[in-house]
Amino acid sequence: SQQGEEDPQALSIQEGENATMNCSYKTSINNLQWYRQNSGRGLVHLILIRSNEREKHSGRLRVTLDTSKKSSSLLITASRAADTASYFCATVPFKRGANNLFFGTGTRLTVIP
Amino acid sequence: DTGVSQDPRHKITKRGQNVTFRCDPISEHNRLYWYRQTLGQGPEFLTYFQNEAQLEKSRLLSDRFSAERPKGSFSTLEIQRTEQGDSAMYLCASSLQRRIFQNTEAFFGQGTRLTVV
Repeated sequence: SQQGEEDPQALSIQEGENATMNCSYKTSINNLQWYRQNSGRGLVHLILIRSNEREKHSGRLRVTLDTSKKSSSLLITASRAADTASYFCATVPFKRGANNLFFGTGTRLTVIP
Repeated sequence: DTGVSQDPRHKITKRGQNVTFRCDPISEHNRLYWYRQTLGQGPEFLTYFQNEAQLEKSRLLSDRFSAERPKGSFSTLEIQRTEQGDSAMYLCASSLQRRIFQNTEAFFGQGTRLTVV
């Protein structure tokens, strides 16, 4: 079974608006990662946040992590039509030697030009 | 292009046939992962290799699924006696992990889309 659950399942916004996606997970983690997937394509890594970090930025992306609530959020600011894609959070369990990613169900983001 | 290549990109097969997919990871990456993704779902972990050693295979979906990475470079995923429920996207990813608990990102290939008719 998958580790995480994203919320919402689908999100539709106007270009220029901000998009926020949330992820909840179940077990202790080593790190949490966000990936993007264009329709029918492979996944592209966006950002990694370690379990001892609370916030991280990369360009227009901002990720937060709350390990006490076992949740994370991804904020995309000033969205563009090209941001239209599915976004997945993936956790790496806190287990010696493990680097397996366990993915959530994803949020389908549509940015309307 | 992430540097991970998968072949073929698409495969249509008749139920009961065997299929084999190939993944070529980024050359210096020591870890290789296989995932399955069905429509509208996130990728589901199947198995992974550290160099040529298969360290986790309990999540392979059934004994019809097997994977190899004979020389620690490319890998193959075989599905025997395919069933319609095997129709999915099969994704390969690789990463470089030098230390235990090292935080690393995975690089995914474009996937092989399998259709069992």
